[in-house]
Amino acid sequence: SQKIEQNSEALNIQEGKTATLTCNYTNYSPAYLQWYRQDPGRGPVFLLLIRENEKEKRKERLKVTFDTTLKQSLFHITASQPADSATYLCALRSGAGSYQLTFGKGTKLSVIP
Amino acid sequence: DSGVTQTPKHLITATGQRVTLRCSPRSGDLSVYWYQQSLDQGLQFLIQYYNGEERAKGNILERFSAQQFPDLHSELNLSSLELGDSALYFCASSVRTSGVSNEQFFGPGTRLTVL
Repeated sequence: SQKIEQNSEALNIQEGKTATLTCNYTNYSPAYLQWYRQDPGRGPVFLLLIRENEKEKRKERLKVTFDTTLKQSLFHITASQPADSATYLCALRSGAGSYQLTFGKGTKLSVIP
Repeated sequence: DSGVTQTPKHLITATGQRVTLRCSPRSGDLSVYWYQQSLDQGLQFLIQYYNGEERAKGNILERFSAQQFPDLHSELNLSSLELGDSALYFCASSVRTSGVSNEQFFGPGTRLTVL
């Protein structure tokens, strides 16, 4: 069956360091993968999308990689700040014909000052 | 602010009851998605509507139903409520059902507590 795993439930890092979050999937052939940020009690907020033919995507301090051979995406936050503390979710859609977004359970990132 | 509104913000009810959650999508968005988020299950897709028609169904229970009205707002009806239905319910909207990337814009959610 299809599965999305975000390896760490929680990740603590020191302010200024680079946070790296992992999303692995099985039994999917995703056309693209999305990353969302969710703060406690609030709805997820879209951050970045990367397509299957893209290796890397950047937006300000964020970087996402996508390896369809390894079936893995890495999400990096450089020069992390306490304000980056949140839960980060990866989400997959299988392709143009599939309308569902399936989310991983998320990684809770805490950036310690 | 995503532009998606949901009412009510909180709902407390008893087992066996029926409730209706309401969602207004962003202006211009034709697709509405409903999700359930509980601590142990994460964010689970329930159902999607596009311009008034059902387009995709996830793990939605038979006790739950939804519709999208001509003005594009949507309602999620939950009936014969059980304790396990206590969760955050999110609505999201996007412009199109498919094709190019469709990031979804989430509302603030409705927290349902079933006692």
